[in-house]
Amino acid sequence: ETGVTQTPRHLVMGMTNKKSLKCEQHLGHNAMYWYKQSAKKPLELMFVYNFKEQTENNSVPSRFSPECPNSSHLFLHLHTLQPEDSALYLCASSQDPRTGGTEAFFGQGTRLTVV
Amino acid sequence: AQTVTQSQPEMSVQEAETVTLSCTYDTSESDYYLFWYKQPPSRQMILVIRQEAYKQQNATENRFSVNFQKAAKSFSLKISDSQLGDAAMYFCAYRSARGSNTGKLIFGQGTTLQVKP
Repeated sequence: ETGVTQTPRHLVMGMTNKKSLKCEQHLGHNAMYWYKQSAKKPLELMFVYNFKEQTENNSVPSRFSPECPNSSHLFLHLHTLQPEDSALYLCASSQDPRTGGTEAFFGQGTRLTVV
Repeated sequence: AQTVTQSQPEMSVQEAETVTLSCTYDTSESDYYLFWYKQPPSRQMILVIRQEAYKQQNATENRFSVNFQKAAKSFSLKISDSQLGDAAMYFCAYRSARGSNTGKLIFGQGTTLQVKP
């Protein structure tokens, strides 16, 4: 069982659909992150949660709605997406960054295609 | 705002040879962390090496080592005895070490490394 698991691995959705991405970490970490990796662009942070509280929202459009019910699970709810939202969405986790947690551990990502 | 720049979109190296990937960054902070991550075709980002800015000694992990030049804001990765399994996209990343930081990583654009047999 890998440290950070993301499901599904691939997702194709229409612009009117509603879907959710799931991330689960088995590392005992307190912080979880969503990153977006688009072609020919650097990875961009979307959201950060620490101890289930959102600590950063990087000006992400409201069609992306995160949810962190506990420190082990993170969701990204998607609705009325645009084709330009097609990308690889990566989840990561780390120890509390405020108290020394340094390395982030990543999942394998969800490849999202919006048609 | 902090930025990370990788000026080499692609690099290639012969198997068993040494290659150096470049990274520069810009920050006004004095305390931070720098990382190199590897992303193979499986897409999972794997941590290769980490450097704390307050440490003068360059980090080393087996065949991977860095040349950290704080004044020049340069952080290059040297891969020795390159292996076919080293072929991947490599990302340089920055993270603040301030007590209020959220753990946000700022990534460079990435360098695709090809290893030739």
